[in-house]
Amino acid sequence: RKEVEQDPGPFNVPEGATVAFNCTYSNSASQSFFWYRQDCRKEPKLLMSVYSSGNEDGRFTAQLNRASQYISLLIRDSKLSDSATYLCVVSSGGGSQGNLIFGKGTKLSVKP
Amino acid sequence: DAGITQSPRYKITETGRQVTLMCHQTWSHSYMFWYRQDLGHGLRLIYYSAAADITDKGEVPDGYVVSRSKTENFPLTLESATRSQTSVYFCASSPSGGAGDTQYFGPGTRLTVL
Repeated sequence: RKEVEQDPGPFNVPEGATVAFNCTYSNSASQSFFWYRQDCRKEPKLLMSVYSSGNEDGRFTAQLNRASQYISLLIRDSKLSDSATYLCVVSSGGGSQGNLIFGKGTKLSVKP
Repeated sequence: DAGITQSPRYKITETGRQVTLMCHQTWSHSYMFWYRQDLGHGLRLIYYSAAADITDKGEVPDGYVVSRSKTENFPLTLESATRSQTSVYFCASSPSGGAGDTQYFGPGTRLTVL
């Protein structure tokens, strides 16, 4: 089982749609969870951290289920500018919690 | 506000040559990282450094060498480049390397080994 697995994508949605991405991770010792965004031919950038209580940032909502080792990202009212690849990221666990394990990413394309 | 920079941005080299990719950050972050990103693999950690003169291997260290004589610089050297090292290389830094710490990425270096 891969350490971090994401929906294969790509997701092609119209503007205004709601889209959800899912991610599972294998290391139960992981303590930190994130969603990063990567635009085409650019570097990854932090979108949001993910907490057990769930967290929301504008149109973006992230959820964490530690028991199921499952992370989700919900984007409401999609904009053209949301088109990017979304990376599910998990800390490596153990003594190197600051080291991150990246999923392969899910590509989102928002169409007019 | 330079942040984290990488040079060169693009590099073409030949098999067997030595190549050094540079990474410089202006935040005085303790931790620095090198990743490679390939289709089908996502980002994979090559090496990381917790402070000057402290480095450690990541997931895919073979064929690479790093050094960190100064906090702000973290060069990555391919001692004898191979075609399999054709990739996009990202450098990143974080303040303390602790759980929950954000990593900030440089713009990347696109390396082609012929």
